[in-house]
Amino acid sequence: QKEVEQNSGPLSVPEGAIASLNCTYSDRGSQSFFWYRQYSGKSPELIMSIYSNGDKEDGRFTAQLNKASQYVSLLIRDSQPSDSATYLCAVNRPQGAQKLVFGQGTRLTINP
Amino acid sequence: NAGVTQTPKFRILKIGQSMTLQCTQDMNHNYMYWYRQDPGMGLKLIYYSVGAGITDKGEVPNGYNVSRSTTEDFPLRLELAAPSQTSVYFCASSRPGLADQETQYFGPGTRLLVL
Repeated sequence: QKEVEQNSGPLSVPEGAIASLNCTYSDRGSQSFFWYRQYSGKSPELIMSIYSNGDKEDGRFTAQLNKASQYVSLLIRDSQPSDSATYLCAVNRPQGAQKLVFGQGTRLTINP
Repeated sequence: NAGVTQTPKFRILKIGQSMTLQCTQDMNHNYMYWYRQDPGMGLKLIYYSVGAGITDKGEVPNGYNVSRSTTEDFPLRLELAAPSQTSVYFCASSRPGLADQETQYFGPGTRLLVL
């Protein structure tokens, strides 16, 4: 079992719709969860972080965490063509030093 | 602030050659990391450092070496390049924080091709 699993996609969503990205992780000791966006040929940039069960909203983005199910998701409302990118889920290793384990990423395409 | 900078942007190496990938950050971050990203994959941690003089292995350290003589710099050395090391290399930094909640900031990456 991979430590962090994501559906690699591609996920295609019409403009204005809600895009839903999912991630599962295997280490129950993980406490910090991150979503990074990566445009083609660019470096990852953090868009959301979440540490407690429930929802966290930031503008059009909502991160959802369920530690019991070892599941974290990212919702993008009112999807825009500029949201087309690969979204990487990252989970911390509990051993410290902020070591992250990344999923393989989900490629999202927003169709105008 | 320039953030995290990496040089070179792109390099072609022949099998068996050596090179150093440079990484510098101007945010006074204690923690620094080297990742590699293969096509269509996520990032894998090669080495990391929690401060000057302290380094440790990540998931995929074989074939690489690092040093950390200053807070700002964290170079990655490839001693005997192999085709399996063809990848994009990202350097990242962060500051120590509570419960690993600090953001990692990434450099622009170095694309390496080993032929």
